[in-house]
Amino acid sequence: RKEVEQDPGPFNVPEGATVAFNCTYSNSASQSFFWYRQDCRKEPKLLMSVYSSGNEDGRFTAQLNRASQYISLLIRDSKLSDSATYLCVVRNSGNTPLVFGKGTRLSVIA
Amino acid sequence: DGGITQSPKYLFRKEGQNVTLSCEQNLNHDAMYWYRQDPGQGLRLIYYSQIVNDFQKGDIAEGYSVSREKKESFPLTVTSAQKNPTAFYLCASKGREADTQYFGPGTRLTVL
Repeated sequence: RKEVEQDPGPFNVPEGATVAFNCTYSNSASQSFFWYRQDCRKEPKLLMSVYSSGNEDGRFTAQLNRASQYISLLIRDSKLSDSATYLCVVRNSGNTPLVFGKGTRLSVIA
Repeated sequence: DGGITQSPKYLFRKEGQNVTLSCEQNLNHDAMYWYRQDPGQGLRLIYYSQIVNDFQKGDIAEGYSVSREKKESFPLTVTSAQKNPTAFYLCASKGREADTQYFGPGTRLTVL
C-alpha cells in the first residue's frame, strides 16, 4: 500500500463548480498534513496546512480525519486559475522529509 | 530576495557522463532535500540533509551522490550509474522551527 494515496483524476470541471479531492495516508503516527499546488512544469508550492479542526482559506477548505487517516480539500467557485495538480503531503515526524502523493490534476473549463 | 535557486533550468548531457545540479538557499534553513519527479508521477526523495556535513539516503539514492559542506548549498551529482536519469529534479529546504518545505524552481535534466 502506498504511503499517501490520492484520487487519480484528472478532474475536468466548469468554472464556478465545487470540486473535492480526497487523500488517505497509511502511517497512523503521521503528524503534519498539507496540500501543495503544482502548476505545469513548475515547482510545488504550499497551498495550505491541514489541521484537525479543519481550516479554511477563502474558497479552499481542508479537513483531516485522523481516525480514518483521511484528508480532503474542497475548492468552491472554481476559477480557470485553479487549474493545476494538487498534491496531498504528509510528514511522519518532526524532522523527517515530506511524503508526497502522486497528485490529482484539475482542469477548470470556461 | 530570500529563496532557493537551482541552476541550470535545463540541462542536457550525453549518456555515461556525470552531471552536478546546483541548489543554493539564503533562507538560513538547516534541512535541504532533493526530489525527482517523472511525468505523471509524484515526487520521490533522493537524498536529504538535516545539518551541515551530514546527509541521509532517501528512497531512490542509487546512482546519485550529494555533499553538504556549507549550510546554504546542497549539490546533487547524477552519476553514470543512474539508469534513467532524465527527469525533473527539485531541491527543497526547511527551517528548524518550520513545518513545511519550500522548493526551488527545479532543473530539467535530459540525457541523450
